[in-house]
Amino acid sequence: AQSVTQPDIHITVSEGASLELRCNYSYGATPYLFWYVQSPGQGLQLLLKYFSGDTLVQGIKGFEAEFKRSQSSFNLRKPSVHWSDAAEYFCAVGLPGNTPLVFGKGTRLSVIA
Amino acid sequence: GAGVSQSPSNKVTEKGKDVELRCDPISGHTALYWYRQSLGQGLEFLIYFQGNSAPDKSGLPSDRFSAERTGGSVSTLTIQRTQQEDSAVYLCASTGEGGTQYFGPGTRLTVL
Repeated sequence: AQSVTQPDIHITVSEGASLELRCNYSYGATPYLFWYVQSPGQGLQLLLKYFSGDTLVQGIKGFEAEFKRSQSSFNLRKPSVHWSDAAEYFCAVGLPGNTPLVFGKGTRLSVIA
Repeated sequence: GAGVSQSPSNKVTEKGKDVELRCDPISGHTALYWYRQSLGQGLEFLIYFQGNSAPDKSGLPSDRFSAERTGGSVSTLTIQRTQQEDSAVYLCASTGEGGTQYFGPGTRLTVL
């Protein structure tokens, strides 16, 4: 069965600092990989996705993620965090095509001045 | 264009009552998913519709939960005889050909 691990429940960073959120998955083949962001009281917004090809993918709001097959990881990065980035971030995996996603437990990001 | 919409945004009900939650997917999207988001459990898959195929109900937690999708578009998730542990945010998502799921804002269900 697929599983997704986000080891950090809560991360606090200073505004302007760099950010890396970790995501590891367990799956027999290369799955589709996603990062979503959820602000309080809101639904999930897609930040970026990896299906195949270039292992470094760019997303919205200045985020990027790198797929590392050897480490079964798909870590999310941002070079300079803004206060508006404070939210909950979810990593998810799915089989190629239209299939249900398996989500990690999420990482809550707090941004301090 | 319009995204996925869900109604109501909030629902408060009494234990034992039935509730219906509605999802309007993005027009033209063939696949529709229901997930539940609760404290301590994270996001869990409930049920999935793909075109005219029989739905994948493997995530439904009990037979009190059911869902239908009419005309390949709107979907209704029904919870019968609600229990307090059903309190959660219920999220709907839809997908076109690309395999990317787009989520609605969710329905927050509170069972008293």
